Amino acid sequence: AQRVTQPEKLLSVFKGAPVELKCNYSYSGSPELFWYVQYSRQRLQLLLRHISRESIKGFTADLNKGETSFHLKKPFAQEEDSAMYYCALKFDNAGNMLTFGGGTRLMVKP
Amino acid sequence: KAGVTQTPRYLIKTRGQQVTLSCSPISGHRSVSWYQQTPGQGLQFLFEYFSETQRNKGNFPGRFSGRQFSNSRSEMNVSTLELGDSALYLCASSLEAGGRQPQHFGDGTRLSIL
Repeated sequence: AQRVTQPEKLLSVFKGAPVELKCNYSYSGSPELFWYVQYSRQRLQLLLRHISRESIKGFTADLNKGETSFHLKKPFAQEEDSAMYYCALKFDNAGNMLTFGGGTRLMVKP
Repeated sequence: KAGVTQTPRYLIKTRGQQVTLSCSPISGHRSVSWYQQTPGQGLQFLFEYFSETQRNKGNFPGRFSGRQFSNSRSEMNVSTLELGDSALYLCASSLEAGGRQPQHFGDGTRLSIL
C-alpha cells in the first residue's frame, strides 16, 4: 500500500539554523510528491511540488527515488517558518487523491 | 479570485443524526476532493468528484457519501453519525481530475458529535 511517513512530529530549531523536514514514501510506481504547509489559523496551502523543481520561501525539496525520500530543506530558518508541514503523495491513475504523511510541526525559536 | 469556500464552518450534532457539508470550488475548477482530518488519523482522503461523477473513493464506510452538481459545487453527507466522526472536513479543488494542477484547500468544516 502507498504510504507517506514523516518521522518527526515536532522539530525545533533556532532562527538562522538549517532545517530539514524528512519525508519517506513507499510506492513502486512514479510518484508525484508535494509539501503542504499550514500556518497558524490559516488554511492548508501548497508549498512545493517535485515536478516544479522550484524554491519557495527559501525551501527546496529533491525527490530521491533510490531512497524513496522527498525531504524539505531550508538553509536558514526564519521565525515565520513556524507551521505544520505535510508531505503528500499522488500516485498513478488515482486522480487527485493525495496520501498525506502525519505532519511535522516546525518551531523556529528566536 | 475567491478561494474554496466551505459551509458551515462549525457544526454540532448528536449521535445518530445525519449532516450535509457544502463546498464551492474556485471558479473554473471542476475537480473537488474531500478529506477528513483528525488528531489520531491525520489527513485521510474521502472521495473525489469530477464532472458530477465520483472518480475515487477512500477507505470509509458507506455512511459517508457525496455528490457534485453541474456548477461543480459539491456536498458530502454523513449519516448515522458516530462519535468518531468528529473531525475537520476539508475540501480541495483543482482544475481537472488528475493532471499536474495543484489542489487548493478550503478552511474546512469542523464537525463535533456529542
